[in-house]
Amino acid sequence: DTGVSQNPRHKITKRGQNVTFRCDPISEHNRLYWYRQTLGQGPEFLTYFQNEAQLEKSRLLSDRFSAERPKGSFSTLEIQRTEQGDSAMYLCASSLGLAGLGQFFGPGTRLTVL
Amino acid sequence: QKEVEQNSGPLSVPEGAIASLNCTYSDRGSQSFFWYRQYSGKSPELIMFIYSNGDKEDGRFTAQLNKASQYVSLLIRDSQPSDSATYLCACVTGNQFYFGTGTSLTVIP
Repeated sequence: DTGVSQNPRHKITKRGQNVTFRCDPISEHNRLYWYRQTLGQGPEFLTYFQNEAQLEKSRLLSDRFSAERPKGSFSTLEIQRTEQGDSAMYLCASSLGLAGLGQFFGPGTRLTVL
Repeated sequence: QKEVEQNSGPLSVPEGAIASLNCTYSDRGSQSFFWYRQYSGKSPELIMFIYSNGDKEDGRFTAQLNKASQYVSLLIRDSQPSDSATYLCACVTGNQFYFGTGTSLTVIP
């Protein structure tokens, strides 16, 4: 499978716990994006990487969120001290260049914070 | 004002009809525009992209862009029940993709 993959697909955690998600982009894609999506809304931008550099982070993103892409390949998104409002689908997407032929999304990680 | 605005619908069309989905964007500097289809519980799937004014056709899908009016649309000809989904419009502004909230389409057999 040469598409974008994400793990885990589902995560249930208790409030206050830390969680980490992983994204493996399409191999030749140099840009990697993280989004959050809640019911009835479009994907909301969180952050993006060009190769290993994190170039932009949403102003709405709490400092409890951190992302890395250490070798310019896979990326991780960590949420510390989770809150119930963090419950959402976390989507990863990759693209070749800024827009190229568009972004391609992984299947997402659904987070439920109890 | 949101970067991308879509009518949330729901939009219902009979099987075989043309479905017309519309989107407006706020930043005149936006250069690239995309349509995604999202089935319930699934991630968005790219359908089409358009960069230039005018129409772009791909099979049953036609994307239309009017930069003067800041308007993007998607036409689906010969609509099928399998086209029932939420359609997301996205534009690239600066280094970011901005998505609308999506329009829910139901194709009635």
